[in-house]
Amino acid sequence: GQQVMQIPQYQHVQEGEDFTTYCNSSTTLSNIQWYKQRPGGHPVFLIQLVKSGEVKKQKRLTFQFGEAKKNSSLHITATQTTDVGTYFCADRKAAGNKLTFGGGTRVLVKP
Amino acid sequence: DTGVSQDPRHKITKRGQNVTFRCDPISEHNRLYWYRQTLGQGPEFLTYFQNEAQLEKSRLLSDRFSAERPKGSFSTLEIQRTEQGDSAMYLCASRAEGSTDTQYFGPGTRLTVL
Repeated sequence: GQQVMQIPQYQHVQEGEDFTTYCNSSTTLSNIQWYKQRPGGHPVFLIQLVKSGEVKKQKRLTFQFGEAKKNSSLHITATQTTDVGTYFCADRKAAGNKLTFGGGTRVLVKP
Repeated sequence: DTGVSQDPRHKITKRGQNVTFRCDPISEHNRLYWYRQTLGQGPEFLTYFQNEAQLEKSRLLSDRFSAERPKGSFSTLEIQRTEQGDSAMYLCASRAEGSTDTQYFGPGTRLTVL
């Protein structure tokens, strides 16, 4: 079956620095969604990318969908302590809207 | 607050016991999803409903698992003869058909099987 993989698994970032987390799929992605889960919390929707090569920005977060729709990335600039959490990418299948999640990137911010 | 509620928030049970969880979706959301999340992993799809109809079940959902949504509003997930491997966070999410593709997750029910 489909595998959605995220790297790195852990990201230790100094406050103020930038970092990127990557999402790769063994099959072509339908639509990619990104979620953030704070420690002890539940996944919260951030954004959806649909088109090949699409780039979307949310303040300090930049999301990109690969040209071949087999990968995606999330880039965070000027990391803040509020960015702590686990970032998941998920492939959203058009039929039924079922989500296939990656393993997540756990982000820790050093003040 | 996403508006999806789940009850109970925590459940500790002994191996072999049956447990039932409840999910109340956002009002008028006709699609409801169940996921399971183990420590350090992403959520895994279990099943979903459109109104009262269960449209898809994952192979993860063994015969010991059953989900219902009898009136198309709240849903229940029952696990019979629990095993230690069933220990996980069980997440419910809902979505309004025809709107954005966003699924709104509830706080989850954390199950611990001793």
